[in-house]
Order: sequence, then C-alpha cells, then structure tokens
Amino acid sequence: DTGVSQNPRHKITKRGQNVTFRCDPISEHNRLYWYRQTLGQGPEFLTYFQNEAQLEKSRLLSDRFSAERPKGSFSTLEIQRTEQGDSAMYLCASSTQGVRLDEQFFGPGTRLTVL
Amino acid sequence: QKEVEQNSGPLSVPEGAIASLNCTYSDRGSQSFFWYRQYSGKSPELIMFIYSNGDKEDGRFTAQLNKASQYVSLLIRDSQPSDSATYLCAVKSNFGNEKLTFGTGTRLTIIP
Repeated sequence: DTGVSQNPRHKITKRGQNVTFRCDPISEHNRLYWYRQTLGQGPEFLTYFQNEAQLEKSRLLSDRFSAERPKGSFSTLEIQRTEQGDSAMYLCASSTQGVRLDEQFFGPGTRLTVL
Repeated sequence: QKEVEQNSGPLSVPEGAIASLNCTYSDRGSQSFFWYRQYSGKSPELIMFIYSNGDKEDGRFTAQLNKASQYVSLLIRDSQPSDSATYLCAVKSNFGNEKLTFGTGTRLTIIP
C-alpha cells in the first residue's frame, strides 16, 4: 500500500491522559500536514512540515499539542492532558513540493474519543 | 464571514441527473482550489483541483472557477448512487501558504 497510513485508527482515552498518533506519508512526499475534523465540519488545519521542519502552526494548536517529524519521514502528534473537546478525527495528509504537484492526499485518520 | 462557504445541504439529485455543488471563498489572494469527496466515516479523497479561471473536466466531473466572483463549483454528470457523499471545497491561499482551508461540506444524496 503506497498511500498515507495512520495509527492507531481509533483511540479511546480518559480525560487527562496523554495520547500519541503516528502518520506515515506517501514515501516520495516531503510535505506532511495534520488536520482535525469534528462532526459536520470540514477538516481544520493544525500544522505542517516540509521535510523535518515544522513551518506553520495553527492557533488551534494549543501548548498541549506537539507534533514532530524527526527524520523527515513519519510524524507524530501528541496531545497532553486530553480534554473532552479534543474528541475528533485527526487526519494526516502528504504532498510533494511543486507548483502543480501540491495536491494533498489524506490518510484514513485516527478517531479520538476522550471520556 | 467564513473563509470558505458551502451550502451544507442535503442536496438530493435523481440518478442520471447533473449534481451542482457550489463554494464561495473570501480571500481574493487564493490560488488553488480543490474538491474532496468524503464518504461517511472515511477520510477526504481528492477528486478535482483547479487553478485557472474557466472549466476543467475529468470524466463525469467538471470544476468551474471564477476568481472575479470568488466562486468555484463542481458539476457531476450522470450522477450515480455511489456519488452520494459529502463534498468538501478547499482553498489554498497562495503558493507560499500551504494549508488548505475547507468549507463545511455539502451532503449529496443520489436518489435511484
């Protein structure tokens, strides 16, 4: 499978716990994005990496959220001290740099439920 | 005013008819426009993108862009039940800003 993969697919946690999600982009893609989607809404941008550099972060990304892409390949998104409002689908997407090669392809998502 | 606006629907279209989905955006500097299809419980799937004013056709799908009116649309010809999904319009501001800003999506139902 050469698409974007995400793990785990589902995560149920108790409020206050820390969770970490992983995203493996399409192998030749140097850009990686994290979005969050709640029911009835479109995805909301959280952050993006070009290779290992985190180039943009949304105001939605509070200090409880941290994302890394240490070797420019896979990425992790950690949420510390989870709150019920963090319950959402967390989507990862990847793309390759270029004027007309910037289409973002999404992974299957990680659905987080905070009890 | 939302940055990207779509009619949330639901939009019901008979099988075989043309489905027309609309999207408006507020940032005049926007350069790239995308249509994603999202089935319930699944992630968005890219179906069309358009950069230039006018029409772009790909099979049964046609994207239309009018930058002066800040309007982008998606036409689906010969609608099939498998086209029933939520269609998300996404906009990228300019070539230096990589984030996509999405609308809330339009739920489309094709009636057999």
